[in-house]
Amino acid sequence: NAGVTQTPKFQVLKTGQSMTLQCAQDMNHNSMYWYRQDPGMGLRLIYYSASEGTTDKGEVPNGYNVSRLNKREFSLRLESAAPSQTSVYFCASSKGSSNQPQHFGDGTRLSIL
Amino acid sequence: AQSVTQPDIHITVSEGASLELRCNYSYGATPYLFWYVQSPGQGLQLLLKYFSGDTLVQGIKGFEAEFKRSQSSFNLRKPSVHWSDAAEYFCAALMTYGNKLVFGAGTILRVKS
Repeated sequence: NAGVTQTPKFQVLKTGQSMTLQCAQDMNHNSMYWYRQDPGMGLRLIYYSASEGTTDKGEVPNGYNVSRLNKREFSLRLESAAPSQTSVYFCASSKGSSNQPQHFGDGTRLSIL
Repeated sequence: AQSVTQPDIHITVSEGASLELRCNYSYGATPYLFWYVQSPGQGLQLLLKYFSGDTLVQGIKGFEAEFKRSQSSFNLRKPSVHWSDAAEYFCAALMTYGNKLVFGAGTILRVKS
């Protein structure tokens, strides 16, 4: 019953360092998503993958890249971290059809110094 | 552009009192609507969802929400709040293209004994 698993749970980076956040789901879901959560702004979509082999930009994609490695895994990469990317990052997955809810991981708390 | 508004940033209620959290959406058509709850340090858990049909939907933990098309609202209610309900609550609307969720900024619920 793991659901959506994110690693790491916490990370501190220096400005300019690179980092990959990992996400895996074991629910055989087609669609996966990366969000960032900032105080007073709710969750904002960074990138999503509607199905294996496809990725699309969300609302705030600048400074990020993603890879849908296979159906289970969807990683988020920060090539050159900036303090503005300090946030809590959530991965989610869904079956893909529009009437299916998204299931969320527990988040990765990322601080950029 | 589609948007979700939660007018109340913080709400404090006494344990045992009733609760209503407000949510308004702006969308070209009737969206799919969701309420999620986030406990500190945790991911988001789905409380309930509305797709069509009966405008009063029941969720987990004793929550319900009512869809009102004329007011573009989807308010969350609970008749008697428990201390364990203290959390942050997010309303979200689903953009059917790409299965993308648009979140409100969240409402932090505090429960006083």
